[in-house]
Amino acid sequence: KAGVTQTPRYLIKTRGQQVTLSCSPISGHRSVSWYQQTPGQGLQFLFEYFSETQRNKGNFPGRFSGRQFSNSRSEMNVSTLELGDSALYLCASSLGRWTGDSPLHFGNGTRLTVT
Amino acid sequence: AQKITQTQPGMFVQEKEAVTLDCTYDTSDPSYGLFWYKQPSSGEMIFLIYQGSYDQQNATEGRYSLNFQKARKSANLVISASQLGDSAMYFCAMREGQAGTALIFGKGTTLSVSS
Repeated sequence: KAGVTQTPRYLIKTRGQQVTLSCSPISGHRSVSWYQQTPGQGLQFLFEYFSETQRNKGNFPGRFSGRQFSNSRSEMNVSTLELGDSALYLCASSLGRWTGDSPLHFGNGTRLTVT
Repeated sequence: AQKITQTQPGMFVQEKEAVTLDCTYDTSDPSYGLFWYKQPSSGEMIFLIYQGSYDQQNATEGRYSLNFQKARKSANLVISASQLGDSAMYFCAMREGQAGTALIFGKGTTLSVSS
């Protein structure tokens, strides 16, 4: 079974631009979450989608948004990029209400660099 | 206050030795889940082991075991018979509540295994 696929792997953008990151979950997984990882702040929760509905959102400004499609694929968008948005963005999927039997499975991430 | 605390920024161990990575957590919710993830330099987060707050026994998965001390609010990861491939960053994470949909991560511990 294919794992969580994130595209692209690397992105370089300029301040003020916007960016869209894509995530394809494991087949059959309906929950998709996004996390931001930086050296200073560590791993921080961005948002979680289940069956096309946002179930939870982390403490990030409105410039960060996301959506989930009917095939469970998800995108996240960051508008008006700032230097501090440079990070590894990780997508994770799970069957639903996850526990040890159904943990979050992460992708390889998209490394975004804002110059 | 931090919800997940990993006090060891770096740990060094020789091949075939056992190593314990510390994790303490803070929550007032009686229902929670504790996870350990491994992140190699490639960036992917790999699920290792899970412990639910109501689980009576410590979780084990192959060479990984979780030393769960509920009263102390600690969930230490024990890796037996370390291998060179175990060199990576290790994260402890918590899901709060039965329906929690966000993982709260610690800052991580870098494990270096030498021959």
